[in-house]
Amino acid sequence: QQKVQQSPESLSVPEGGMASLNCTSSDRNFQYFWWYRQHSGEGPKALMSIFSDGDKKEGRFTAHLNKASLHVSLHIRDSQPSDSALYFCAAMNNNAGAKLTFGGGTRLTVRP
Amino acid sequence: AQTIHQWPVAEIKAVGSPLSLGCTIKGKSSPNLYWYWQATGGTLQQLFYSITVGQVESVVQLNLSASRPKDDQFILSTEKLLLSHSGFYLCAWGLGAGEQYFGPGTRLTVL
Repeated sequence: QQKVQQSPESLSVPEGGMASLNCTSSDRNFQYFWWYRQHSGEGPKALMSIFSDGDKKEGRFTAHLNKASLHVSLHIRDSQPSDSALYFCAAMNNNAGAKLTFGGGTRLTVRP
Repeated sequence: AQTIHQWPVAEIKAVGSPLSLGCTIKGKSSPNLYWYWQATGGTLQQLFYSITVGQVESVVQLNLSASRPKDDQFILSTEKLLLSHSGFYLCAWGLGAGEQYFGPGTRLTVL
C-alpha cells in the first residue's frame, strides 16, 4: 500500500470553478507536506508547503492539513486552463536525507 | 540564481545497452541531490539521494547506479538497460527539509 494516497485520480472542472484535491498519509512519521504541480513534459514545481494544522492560503491556492487524521487537501479557486496539470502530494519526515514520498497524483483538467 | 541542467534531453536505446544520464546544479553549494523515475503519467519514485560528494544512498533497486563525482554533479547509469527502464528521469536538489527543485528531465525510451 502506498504511504501517500491521493484522490481523485482525475478531476475536470470548468474555468472559474473550484478544484479540490485530497491526500492521505498512512505514516505518522511524516511531518512536512508539499503540493507539487507538473505540466506535461516538464519537471514538477512546488506549489506550496504546509507543516501546521489548519489552512494556508497563497493566492488562488489554499492547503489544509489535519495531522490527527493525516489528511491534506488543496483547493484551487477560480481555476484557469493553465492550472491543467498533474498534481502531487508529497510527504517528508526530515530523516534519511529529507526523502520525499510522493502520492500517485491527480490529473486536473480545467475546461475553457 | 540556481539552475539545474539535465542531459541528454531524450534518449532512445536498445535493451542491453549501457546508459549514462547527467545532472548539474549551478549556484548552490553542497545541496542534497536526488534522482527520480517517473512512468508516463505516473507517480515519482525516488531512486537515489546524495548529501555530499562521493556519497550516494540507494532508495530502490532498479539495476541502476548513481555517483556524485563533484559537488554540483550527479550521474545515473547502468551497464545493461531493461525495457522497464523506460520513463522520465528527473534530477532534483534541495536543502534539508525544504522544497526540492526539479530539473527538466530526460525522456528515456528502451526498445
